[in-house]
Amino acid sequence: AQSVTQPDIHITVSEGASLELRCNYSYGATPYLFWYVQSPGQGLQLLLKYFSGDTLVQGIKGFEAEFKRSQSSFNLRKPSVHWSDAAEYFCAVGRDMRFGAGTRLTVKP
Amino acid sequence: DAGITQSPRHKVTETGTPVTLRCHQTENHRYMYWYRQDPGHGLRLIHYSYGVKDTDKGEVSDGYSVSRSKTEDFLLTLESATSSQTSVYFCAISGPQQPQHFGDGTRLSIL
Repeated sequence: AQSVTQPDIHITVSEGASLELRCNYSYGATPYLFWYVQSPGQGLQLLLKYFSGDTLVQGIKGFEAEFKRSQSSFNLRKPSVHWSDAAEYFCAVGRDMRFGAGTRLTVKP
Repeated sequence: DAGITQSPRHKVTETGTPVTLRCHQTENHRYMYWYRQDPGHGLRLIHYSYGVKDTDKGEVSDGYSVSRSKTEDFLLTLESATSSQTSVYFCAISGPQQPQHFGDGTRLSIL
C-alpha cells in the first residue's frame, strides 16, 4: 500500500542553523513528490515539487529537497533557518497526493 | 491564494444536521479536491473531481457527498453531521499533472 512517513513530529532548531526534515515513502513507481508548508490558521503553500529529472530540486524561500530512489526518501533542507520558517511542513507523494502526518518546526532565537 | 475561496470559514453546528461547504475557484482548473486535516493524520482526501459532474471517492469518503455542477464550484455535504467530522476542511485545485493549490480552510465544529 502507498504510504508516506514523516518520522519527526516536532523539530526545534536555532535560528541560523541548518535544517533537514525527513520524508520516506512507499510507492510502486517513481512518484511525484511535494513539500508543502502551513502557517497557523492558513492553507498549505507549495515549497517545491519533483516530477522527474534532476534529483536535487530547488524551491521557494531557500528550501531544497533531494530525491533518493535507493532510500525512498525526499528530504527537505535549508542551510540557514529564519524565525519566519516556524510552521508545519508536509510531504506529499503521488498523483493522488498522499500526505505525511507533518513535522512541526520551532525556531529558537 | 491561487483564486480559491472557501465558505464558510468557520461553522459550528449540531449533530444530525446537514452541512454544506463550498469551494469556489477562478482559475478554470479541471481538478478539485476536498481534504480534512486532523492532528496526527496530515491531510486525508475525502473526494475529488476531474470535471463537471465527474467525481470520485478518496481515502475517507464515508459520511460525505460532493457535487460539481459548474467548473468553478465544488460542494462538500455532510448529510447528517457527526462529532467525528469535526475537523478543518481544505479545498484544493490543480491542472493536469500540476501540483495542488489550497484554499485557506473551513473550521467545522460539530457539537
